[in-house]
Amino acid sequence: QSALTQPASVSGSPGQSVTISCTGMNSDLTNYNFVSWYQQHPGKAPKLILYEGSKRPSGVSVRFAGSKSGYTASLTISGLQADDEGDYYCCSYVGNLNWVFGGGTKLTVL
Amino acid sequence: EVQLLESGGGLIQRGGSLRLSCAASGFSFISYALSWVRQAPGKGLEWVSSISGPGDYTHYAHSVQGRFTISRDNSNTTLYLQMNSLRADDTAVYYCAKVLRAGGVYFDYWGQGKLVTVSS
Repeated sequence: QSALTQPASVSGSPGQSVTISCTGMNSDLTNYNFVSWYQQHPGKAPKLILYEGSKRPSGVSVRFAGSKSGYTASLTISGLQADDEGDYYCCSYVGNLNWVFGGGTKLTVL
Repeated sequence: EVQLLESGGGLIQRGGSLRLSCAASGFSFISYALSWVRQAPGKGLEWVSSISGPGDYTHYAHSVQGRFTISRDNSNTTLYLQMNSLRADDTAVYYCAKVLRAGGVYFDYWGQGKLVTVSS
C-alpha cells in the first residue's frame, strides 16, 4: 500500500483552529473505523490522540476532533495551544496486522 | 500502567545483524498483538512488522520481508526484532507498539524508541 497523503505543514495562532487532512487511495481509507491519529513531539514517541476515526482516548483533550469526507480523513485541533506544536500522523489499518501511515504534518503554533 | 521498553539498538555495519528487544509490563501480554514501527531521521513513521498474541501469525512490510524476523516470548513478556542484512536505509528509531483491537485496530501504547544506525 502507498502512504497516505498529508500536508507537510500547517500553522495557526493560539486560540485558532487548524485542520490536517489525510487522503488515501482506493481502499486505504474505506473503513473509517480503521483510521487513527498520532501526535509526536520532538524526540518523543508517538501518542495516540484519535482512534476509530473520531474517538478520543482517555485524557486527550476535546479540542482534538476527527471527521471524514469521501477518501479523506481529517483532524481538527481547536483552541490552539503552544503545546499542540509537533508532528501529526494519520494511520490506516489495512488488514492482516498491516498498517499504512501518512507522511506526517508539522504543526507550528505561531 | 502499560510500559514498553526497547533495548538493543546501536551502531552496526552494513550487512550486519542486530536484535532489538521490547520488555512489556502492565497488561496481559499474550492477549495482544504487537508491532514494530520505525522512523528514519527526519522522516515519518513506517510500520515494519507485527505478530499476533500467541505468536502464530507474523507480518512484514515489503521493505524488510526476508531480512527481519519478529518473535515474542510470552513467558517473559518480551518482543523481539531480529534484523539481518542491514542496509543504510534501515537506519531509524525503532518503536515497539501495543495493538488494540476494538472497533478499529490501532496502536494504543508505544515504547520510547531505540536508535539503530547502519554505517556504510
